Order: sequence, then C-alpha cells, then structure tokens
Amino acid sequence: NAGVMQNPRHLVRRRGQEARLRCSPMKGHSHVYWYRQLPEEGLKFMVYLQKENIIDESGMPKERFSAEFPKEGPSILRIQQVVRGDSAAYFCASSRGQGYSYNEQFFGPGTRLTVL
Amino acid sequence: EDQVTQSPEALRLQEGESSSLNCSYTVSGLRGLFWYRQDPGKGPEFLFTLYSAGEEKEKERLKATLTKKESFLHITAPKPEDSATYLCAVLRHSGGSNYKLTFGKGTLLTVNP
Repeated sequence: NAGVMQNPRHLVRRRGQEARLRCSPMKGHSHVYWYRQLPEEGLKFMVYLQKENIIDESGMPKERFSAEFPKEGPSILRIQQVVRGDSAAYFCASSRGQGYSYNEQFFGPGTRLTVL
Repeated sequence: EDQVTQSPEALRLQEGESSSLNCSYTVSGLRGLFWYRQDPGKGPEFLFTLYSAGEEKEKERLKATLTKKESFLHITAPKPEDSATYLCAVLRHSGGSNYKLTFGKGTLLTVNP
C-alpha cells in the first residue's frame, strides 16, 4: 500500500488520558500535514512538518497538543490530558514538497478520536 | 483571512441529471485550488488542482473550472457512486517556503438511482 497510513483508525480515551496518533506518509513524500475535522465543519489545518522540523504550527492549540516527525519512523500527533472537545477525526496528509504540483496533498484514512 | 464558501451545502440529483457545485474564495495570492472527494468515514481523495483562471480539468464525469473568484465542479450524467461530499480548498503562500491549504465545508452530493 503506497498511500498515507494512519493508526489507529479509532481511538477511545477517557478525559485526562493521552492520545497518540501516528502517520506514515506516502513513499517519496517528505512533508506531512495534520488536520482536524469536526462534524458540520471543514478540515482545519493544525501543523505542517518536515523531517525533524516543525514548519508551521499556527493551527495547533498552544497547550496539550504537540507534533513531531522524527528522522526515522512516523509522524506523531500527541494530545495530552484529553478533554471531550478533542473528540474529532484527525487526518494526516503528505506531499512531495512545496511548489508547483508538489503541493498536492494526499490524505490518509484518518483517526477517529472519542473522549469519554 | 482566507475564506472558502461552497454551495449548495447539499444537493440531491437523479441519476443522469447534470449539475454544478460552486466554490467561491477570497484569498490573497492564490497558488492553487484543489478539489477533493470524501466518502463517509474516509479521508479526502484528491481529484484536481487548478492553478490559473481559465484552466479546466476533467476526470470521467467531473470537470473543474477556475475563475479569479470561484471554481465550479461540473458533474455530467452522475451515477449513484458519485454520491459523496466534495471539498474545495485554496492554497496560498504564507511566507518563506510555506504554503497553506484552507478548506470549505463541502457540498454533500446524493445521486438517486
């Protein structure tokens, strides 16, 4: 499967627990983006990463949320001390780069987070 | 702030009944407009990128067009399998080598047999 992979597909956490969402980009892609989708709302940008660098985190809440894309392994979106309002679908996308035609972002299947 | 408005919010068609979805946008320095299809419980599936006014792209029963203020997704003789939410997104340059996508809320298309 050469597509973007995300796991887990579904994640249930109790309030106060930590949630870790993983994303492996498409082969040949070195740019990763995380988005959040709430019911009745559009996809909202959270963070853009390249290997070992956060390029733009302007869409990510300042507290409890963090993201990384290490040299080896998948990108991780981490949510500490989850609250009910964090319940949403979280999508990862990847692209070859930035610039003409390289901007095309391809999405994974998403992780549906439910906070009890 | 970038704004992307899609209309209608929902559209119900009979099989074979052609129609168009609209995406109007306000963005400084458009670098591209993207169309995606999203099925329930799945991630968005890339359809088209349009880069300049006047550009058109086609894929099976879908054709996307772009003007300076809006884009249309034309669906010709739709089939039930075309039922999905169609998302529009605009790409702008947000500094340095950073480009950012802003999505509309989507149009939910239902095609009845």
